[in-house]
Amino acid sequence: GESVGLHLPTLSVQEGDNSIINCAYSNSASDYFIWYKQESGKGPQFIIDIRSNMDKRQGQRVTVLLNKTVKHLSLQIAATQPGDSAVYFCAEKRDQGGKLIFGQGTELSVKP
Amino acid sequence: KAGVTQTPRYLIKTRGQQVTLSCSPISGHRSVSWYQQTPGQGLQFLFEYFSETQRNKGNFPGRFSGRQFSNSRSEMNVSTLELGDSALYLCASSLDGSGKYGPQHFGDGTRLSIL
Repeated sequence: GESVGLHLPTLSVQEGDNSIINCAYSNSASDYFIWYKQESGKGPQFIIDIRSNMDKRQGQRVTVLLNKTVKHLSLQIAATQPGDSAVYFCAEKRDQGGKLIFGQGTELSVKP
Repeated sequence: KAGVTQTPRYLIKTRGQQVTLSCSPISGHRSVSWYQQTPGQGLQFLFEYFSETQRNKGNFPGRFSGRQFSNSRSEMNVSTLELGDSALYLCASSLDGSGKYGPQHFGDGTRLSIL
């Protein structure tokens, strides 16, 4: 398969701090990117997306940054809360239709 | 609006058996994709259906198949089950599969365990 799962990197932050989760994507032809949050026992939940013609997009408490030069994506979460604890995945899309290529994921742990 | 619904939530099978998983997409969504999630391989794309036709296929053996009905509901079938098929199977739907943009929304998956 195209998504290789490795030992999940972990990010531990204090409640109220800002979190930054990074992702390196694989193909320079990818032009649509999505961040998902997955809590234990649940499916991935859509957070925010960005097209390759943008460098930055903001949502509620979240910001996604895209650097196409180095094929890097980041998700910034402001004022992180315990409810933000989950595994976060970036996904890239390069073709028409539904095929998403997922990153390995980052586990975010928020300490109260 | 109801989300993506997958049934059953849990399934236990033995090697050699076959299994069918079901997915009801969000109302109005026409594209349904299936993914396999395992600790070792992460999330991997299986296939996508749009207007009852398979449009994209991942790198899985032919034992994995699917179909989509006229109401956009989809089923996935795995035949001759192997131990390595134990995984969380996720279904995702999106509004318009003909375009490239627009997020996929996931169900909570079917946890398949092979004994």
